[in-house]
Amino acid sequence: DVKVTQSSRYLVKRTGEKVFLECVQDMDHENMFWYRQDPGLGLRLIYFSYDVKMKEKGDIPEGYSVSREKKERFSLILESASTNQTSMYLCASRPQQAPEKLFFGSGTQLSVL
Amino acid sequence: GENVEQHPSTLSVQEGDSAVIKCTYSDSASNYFPWYKQELGKGPQLIIDIRSNVGEKKDQRIAVTLNKTAKHFSLHITETQPEDSAVYFCAATPWSGGYQKVTFGTGTKLQVIP
Repeated sequence: DVKVTQSSRYLVKRTGEKVFLECVQDMDHENMFWYRQDPGLGLRLIYFSYDVKMKEKGDIPEGYSVSREKKERFSLILESASTNQTSMYLCASRPQQAPEKLFFGSGTQLSVL
Repeated sequence: GENVEQHPSTLSVQEGDSAVIKCTYSDSASNYFPWYKQELGKGPQLIIDIRSNVGEKKDQRIAVTLNKTAKHFSLHITETQPEDSAVYFCAATPWSGGYQKVTFGTGTKLQVIP
C-alpha cells in the first residue's frame, strides 16, 4: 500500500516561531502537495511540486514556503507562524500521469498560540 | 480558475436510507471528477471517480452521476450504514496529462443514525 507519512499528528507552536511540517511518501511519486483544511472551506492548495527541487504556488501560498530536496520528502515551512495559520495540514502525493492515484497523509493539526 | 460548490454541508440520514451529495463546477475544461471520503483522524481517500465521457458509474452501494451540460455531478449512497459516516469531498480537474490542478468542494459531513 502507498504510504504518505506526516511527521506529527498534533503540533503546538507560538506566534513568530518557524515551523517545519514534514511529509514522506514511499511510492516514488513525482507530484507532492500541501493542502490546508478548514471547516467550511474544504481543501485549499498551498504549494505543490512536480518533481525534485521544483515547486509551484497554489491558491494560498502567503506565509508559507516549501522544500523538496529529495523525491520522497516534501516540507512545508511557516517562516513566522501566526494564529491564522492554525489549521489541519494535509500532504498528498501522486504519480505524474495518474490523477486517480492521489494519496493523502493523515494530517497535522497545527495550533499557533 | 475552477470553482467547485458542494451541498449540503451537513447531512443526517437514518441507517438504510439513501444519501445524495451534489456538486457544481464552473470550468468546462474539467474532465475528471473524483470523490473522497475522510474518516475521523484520517486523510481523504478516493472512493469513486468519473470522467467526462461517462454519465454514470457505480460501485456497489455508491454511484456518481455527471451532467456535463449543467456542469454538475452527484454522489449517491444507497442503504447507508454507520460506517458511511464521514466527510465527503468532491473535486474537479481538467486532466490532460502532466500536472493539472485539483479543485475541491467544501465538504459534506454525513451522519448515519443507527
